[in-house]
Amino acid sequence: ETGVTQSPTHLIKTRGQQVTLRCSSQSGHNTVSWYQQALGQGPQFIFQYYREEENGRGNFPPRFSGLQFPNYSSELNVNALELDDSALYLCASSLERRNGYTFGSGTRLTVV
Amino acid sequence: GENVEQHPSTLSVQEGDSAVIKCTYSDSASNYFPWYKQELGKGPQLIIDIRSNVGEKKDQRIAVTLNKTAKHFSLHITETQPEDSAVYFCAASLMDSNYQLIWGAGTKLIIKP
Repeated sequence: ETGVTQSPTHLIKTRGQQVTLRCSSQSGHNTVSWYQQALGQGPQFIFQYYREEENGRGNFPPRFSGLQFPNYSSELNVNALELDDSALYLCASSLERRNGYTFGSGTRLTVV
Repeated sequence: GENVEQHPSTLSVQEGDSAVIKCTYSDSASNYFPWYKQELGKGPQLIIDIRSNVGEKKDQRIAVTLNKTAKHFSLHITETQPEDSAVYFCAASLMDSNYQLIWGAGTKLIIKP
């Protein structure tokens, strides 16, 4: 049973650019949630995808968007990057939106 | 909306002693309370969780207690070991809000040899 894998592990982007982060959910999991974790803080919920549809969203602007594919992998897209978007982006998967999420190791995004 | 406060921000204990981390939550409707351990360079790992219909849960050296009236829950680690050193996060979730986890700010636990 494979866990949650995220790519890339590190990324440096310039302010105003766009970025796509990828997540492969744990085998058998059909729910993916994305979180933003700023340095020294707890994760903040961005949104959740369940069976390819957005199933809840946190307090993030529309330039944060996502997709979930038929194999339940997921993408997080961020447009018009701002310096404050620099953070660790975490993907977590679960089965049928149940609790007990399995987290990936995250993508460290730096915006300069 | 829900707000979770976590204390202390840093906790240093002697190896073999016990460690206690406390969290309070604001939304009385929250009904699921997990604890995560995050090691450097890794994602959070679920170590124990408790639901609102249970007051205490134990798993070997780790236990969690929940006081619904006071709206606080605590993580207890006994016989601490060097590998327990990490950042620990509490979280709260309202089942009806798409299982969104609201997290505390984290506690850095340092185990002194």
